[in-house]
Amino acid sequence: EIVLTQSPGTLSLFPGERATLSCRASQSVSSNYLGWYQQKPGQAPRLLIYGASNRAPGIPDRFRGGGSGTDFTLTISRLEPEDFAVYYCQQYGSSPLYTFGQGTKLEIK
Amino acid sequence: QVQLVESGGGVVQPGRSLRLSCAASGFAFSSYPINWVRQAPGKGLAWVASISNDGSNKYYADSVKGRFTISRDNSKNTLYLQLNGLRAEDTAVYYCAGGLHHFTNYVFDYWGRGTLVTVSS
Repeated sequence: EIVLTQSPGTLSLFPGERATLSCRASQSVSSNYLGWYQQKPGQAPRLLIYGASNRAPGIPDRFRGGGSGTDFTLTISRLEPEDFAVYYCQQYGSSPLYTFGQGTKLEIK
Repeated sequence: QVQLVESGGGVVQPGRSLRLSCAASGFAFSSYPINWVRQAPGKGLAWVASISNDGSNKYYADSVKGRFTISRDNSKNTLYLQLNGLRAEDTAVYYCAGGLHHFTNYVFDYWGRGTLVTVSS
């Protein structure tokens, strides 16, 4: 079973700063199978990145995904007020079929 | 416009059963696998179950295997989740979610708003 560990648990930044979120897998994950989501309170998650580095339709270019193997990152280049939320990474595998990380809360400093 | 609308949640006693539904519209429902994902109050996301487009293949998280059953009725564009032997730890918002583009086979680009299941005596 592949476990995804996200760090940090909470990230406190000012608007306009750069955010770097980490997702580490316990075993190698195909880049094709790695996604990132944003979730705001009371809302369903929203897909940001698929295939580790591809932005989903309508996602601003300040969101960038990268990495390979066991280490993946989500970078938000210049934080906007609406970016403060919880972020999850997710992978597709064999058993279990899908796994989510525990989440990183991005909060306004 | 793609829509996934869950229903069927509520308060149920431990050990009892519940059936959730997800009504789909705006896309070719029978062409896509579809999934249930849950989120306990204040917690993260957890995949629950998946079903292939024709219903022939079903997959479950270990935590629900043997208690929950996923199914679909493509003639009604509806996904189901039968929850049996409910436990307090099954309390969560249950989302219906799917990857509905050719490039989103392994992620979920559409989600419903969720339905809350509360297991309590």
